[in-house]
Amino acid sequence: AQSVTQLGSHVSVSEGALVLLRCNYSSSVPPYLFWYVQYPNQGLQLLLKYTTGATLVKGINGFEAEFKKSETSFHLTKPSAHMSDAAEYFCAVSDLRSSNTGKLIFGQGTTLQVKP
Amino acid sequence: GAVVSQHPSRVICKSGTSVKIECRSLDFQATTMFWYRQFPKQSLMLMATSNEGSKATYEQGVEKDKFLINHASLTLSTLTVTSAHPEDSSFYICSARSWTDGYTFGSGTRLTVV
Repeated sequence: AQSVTQLGSHVSVSEGALVLLRCNYSSSVPPYLFWYVQYPNQGLQLLLKYTTGATLVKGINGFEAEFKKSETSFHLTKPSAHMSDAAEYFCAVSDLRSSNTGKLIFGQGTTLQVKP
Repeated sequence: GAVVSQHPSRVICKSGTSVKIECRSLDFQATTMFWYRQFPKQSLMLMATSNEGSKATYEQGVEKDKFLINHASLTLSTLTVTSAHPEDSSFYICSARSWTDGYTFGSGTRLTVV
């Protein structure tokens, strides 16, 4: 079974500082990995995803993530935080390689706070 | 890009009544649709998976008679919360999957049962 663990339910950074949101996964097959952002009372917006190929994935709004198989990690980073980045972030893994269903399993979420 | 329209965005209903939530893929055909439930400050919990024309597959612990899912076409799935009670109050989100566009989420429905 696949699972996702996000370390740190709440991360606070100053505007302009580095953002690092941690995600570790467990999967018996090479995973598809995703990062989503959610603003209050809204759905999820895809930031980036890893399926195959280059392990450093660039997404929208300046975010990027690196797939590290040896560490079973897919941490999300952004060099310089903006106030508008304050939101809830979810890491997710898909079982698409092992199942036609392709369910997304989500981590617990990390609330990013950006201080002026 | 792919868009999923979810309606209504908010609904308040009386205890004992039923509520239907619609999820429509606007410009693509969704091979699979997923329904999630999200409690405040928590993650998304998968409730069920549905493929067009077949019965939904419910996750363990989800009452299929309470949460009726219909996926009548490749662009429309509905979730009906039957005989709603206050404990069913939550944020419900749908997601549509296509072979080309991956996963696209609706904007969510805030259900309040009074």
